[in-house]
Amino acid sequence: DQQVKQNSPSLSVQEGRISILNCDYTNSMFDYFLWYKKYPAEGPTFLISISSIKDKNEDGRFTVFLNKSAKHLSLHIVPSQPGDSAVYFCAREYGNKLVFGAGTILRVKS
Amino acid sequence: NAGVTQTPKFQVLKTGQSMTLQCAQDMNHNSMYWYRQDPGMGLRLIYYSASEGTTDKGEVPNGYNVSRLNKREFSLRLESAAPSQTSVYFCASSEQTHSYEQYFGPGTRLTVT
Repeated sequence: DQQVKQNSPSLSVQEGRISILNCDYTNSMFDYFLWYKKYPAEGPTFLISISSIKDKNEDGRFTVFLNKSAKHLSLHIVPSQPGDSAVYFCAREYGNKLVFGAGTILRVKS
Repeated sequence: NAGVTQTPKFQVLKTGQSMTLQCAQDMNHNSMYWYRQDPGMGLRLIYYSASEGTTDKGEVPNGYNVSRLNKREFSLRLESAAPSQTSVYFCASSEQTHSYEQYFGPGTRLTVT
């Protein structure tokens, strides 16, 4: 069972502060973990990935951390901006599929 | 370059009716996918097509059929719609299977009454 779980349905952060979105996973057989971002009435868009051989991957304001011992993935957004308000899905590549978490709604208040 | 397009944007069906959701991509991608998104459940893969002429079941294929018409187009058919198929449907494409960077269409919101 190659699940990913996002246990926080929503998160509210002040503009300029750090947003931390979390994801837990079962099993340790994977190639990549991913984060996708989704605005209302649009399809998800790929944000950032991390492979199993890394602990951290950074792209501008977005950093993904992988803690393999805890089976935990997190996305840090610094500094948070109002335009970051969206639903964030973590996902894992499993075989020839992507398996998605339920999503976390991020609201960045100005 | 439109990316991934889906038609229709919205649809209401009565139980038992049939319909086809259309998807097209202009990025010359080999692989295409159909997902459904339900509240609290993220996106779940219905079917995918690794390349023109091939299709495979995903996580939730029951009640659906697909056709990879050509490299550009991948359609999803509901033969006899049920209220449990009320959902938002997304089509996606990627350069190849196992590619984690997928490009999504804007979605079709389907309601079955």
